[in-house]
Amino acid sequence: AQTVTQSQPEMSVQEAETVTLSCTYDTSESNYYLFWYKQPPSRQMILVIRQEAYKQQNATENRFSVNFQKAAKSFSLKISDSQLGDTAMYFCAFMQGTYKYIFGTGTRLKVLA
Amino acid sequence: DAGVIQSPRHEVTEMGQEVTLRCKPISGHDYLFWYRQTMMRGLELLIYFNNNVPIDDSGMPEDRFSAKMPNASFSTLKIQPSEPRDSAVYFCASRTGGHTEAFFGQGTRLTVV
Repeated sequence: AQTVTQSQPEMSVQEAETVTLSCTYDTSESNYYLFWYKQPPSRQMILVIRQEAYKQQNATENRFSVNFQKAAKSFSLKISDSQLGDTAMYFCAFMQGTYKYIFGTGTRLKVLA
Repeated sequence: DAGVIQSPRHEVTEMGQEVTLRCKPISGHDYLFWYRQTMMRGLELLIYFNNNVPIDDSGMPEDRFSAKMPNASFSTLKIQPSEPRDSAVYFCASRTGGHTEAFFGQGTRLTVV
């Protein structure tokens, strides 16, 4: 069965600094998708970035980028120039085919002024 | 489109009462998911539908939980009878088969006292 592990329950970073959130997963499949979702205090789940496993190039979305290491089954999220609005829970998620998302337990990120 | 719409946003009920949570997916989306979020277990998939048909309900905790999707624009999750351990945030999400991003509603916070 696929599993997603986020080993950092909480992290903090100073405004304008860079922070990296870790995620590892386990699967025997070769084709799948990985995601980072953000959940601010409003509760809304917002897609931050996605990565297709068959693409070697790491995905980037403005200040957000990933380090995808397929062999190591690692999928970390880097947030550059952190902003106060980045304060949220961040969930790593895995999806294979058209099936369900499997989420990690989340990392609570606090950006300090 | 207004996004995925869930109602109510908050629900407080007494143990033993029936609770019905509602979801309107984004128009044109053919997959609908119900998730439950708790501190202890994170985000768990309860059930998902494809073209209004339940595909996988293995995450439904017990027979007290039931979900229906009578048409493409409406789904319900019902708990009868409710128990305090059902207290959680329940999310509905939808997406199209041709895309990987799932769009989430704002969730219903259920409190059973």
